[in-house]
Amino acid sequence: GAGVSQSPSNKVTEKGKDVELRCDPISGHTALYWYRQSLGQGLEFLIYFQGNSAPDKSGLPSDRFSAERTGGSVSTLTIQRTQQEDSAVYLCASRLPGPQGGQPQHFGDGTRLSIL
Amino acid sequence: EDKVVQSPLSLVVHEGDTVTLNCSYEVTNFRSLLWYKQEKKAPTFLFMLTSSGIEKKSGRLSSILDKKELFSILNITATQTGDSAVYLCAVTNYQLIWGAGTKLIIKP
Repeated sequence: GAGVSQSPSNKVTEKGKDVELRCDPISGHTALYWYRQSLGQGLEFLIYFQGNSAPDKSGLPSDRFSAERTGGSVSTLTIQRTQQEDSAVYLCASRLPGPQGGQPQHFGDGTRLSIL
Repeated sequence: EDKVVQSPLSLVVHEGDTVTLNCSYEVTNFRSLLWYKQEKKAPTFLFMLTSSGIEKKSGRLSSILDKKELFSILNITATQTGDSAVYLCAVTNYQLIWGAGTKLIIKP
């Protein structure tokens, strides 16, 4: 597709369940980012992939959060044993190869996650 | 600690007004500064600035960077209701550091 694609667009689940969010980046974009945005707040960095490896996982808030990327393309963000404070919009972004700051990130529409 | 500060936090103006949004930063090993517009969903890319004093322009929007004073401004002239959004500023070094955004509301 032309842009970053995320699915599902909305997810409502019960506290304690596991959820998996998917991101399909723009073709040719080797760098991929996950962010979290709570209502009315700025972007909170979660994890950055370069190809299939994650050189920066510093933003993952707890060990309930994990992410993987296979084939240098699609990435999944998994949240285990969800808590109500996990409710937020999860945004994925990708960019062309190169060092940080050389190319802008392009965002998907996000997954709105609601934990009941 | 690296930080990016945007001001004002929110702004309400009337259609046709000109607005200036500010982004100041304290970031080591600066590489670039980016502006994004966020309406209901995904932030959309507006500008990337790397050099001081060179204005970037797209229609009614323009932006400039001052690397000596460590800030950037985003100007919007002849504002329209469709300009209502949160405008985000981010600075890159080895990572991307985001400001909290300026919420702009344009009243008809």
